[in-house]
Amino acid sequence: DSGVTQTPKHLITATGQRVTLRCSPRSGDLSVYWYQQSLDQGLQFLIQYYNGEERAKGNILERFSAQQFPDLHSELNLSSLELGDSALYFCASSVEQGGTYNEQFFGPGTRLTVL
Amino acid sequence: AQSVAQPEDQVNVAEGNPLTVKCTYSVSGNPYLFWYVQYPNRGLQFLLKYITGDNLVKGSYGFEAEFNKSQTSFHLKKPSALVSDSALYFCAVPGGGYQKVTFGTGTKLQVIP
Repeated sequence: DSGVTQTPKHLITATGQRVTLRCSPRSGDLSVYWYQQSLDQGLQFLIQYYNGEERAKGNILERFSAQQFPDLHSELNLSSLELGDSALYFCASSVEQGGTYNEQFFGPGTRLTVL
Repeated sequence: AQSVAQPEDQVNVAEGNPLTVKCTYSVSGNPYLFWYVQYPNRGLQFLLKYITGDNLVKGSYGFEAEFNKSQTSFHLKKPSALVSDSALYFCAVPGGGYQKVTFGTGTKLQVIP
């Protein structure tokens, strides 16, 4: 158990809908990362937050947004969903912002299916 | 840009035999390199990392990795494979600044009993 929690575990929805994925980092970790894992694209970095502020952006679509709240939990919002958005979405956390490179601790993921 | 390459989609090895999962890197400056493992229906787990120092890095579950600067490689190794080692293995490299991490495409390790 990494200490990172994600809800829900599974999500099935229809095209055009909007969903919210939630992540709680390990106790004491200030950085939260979101990743998308699909068969054709592999593991893609989406976005990173550190202590409530956006710090790095990867291959995140404009239809997707995220935020980190004062209690450090994070939410990833996916809107106008398309079939191609079906994937595993992982959240990870780590201690530090930068400088020393620290390993990330991954949650169990949310499997999103768009029908 | 920082990048890693995993040239093998799948590696098959017999239980008890040594295993190697390959990774090559392309980075500017001093490389920081990671290995993660993903078991079926689970998130990724950190195995080991190279920051600086000894070229042989020891990690979790008996795994180790050898950093080779001249060959720009960071291969994952284990002296004796277990069936329970069967999983997806990712090599990763942090980007500049804020720990943005780029993962390789992953190598599926199958250990055959």
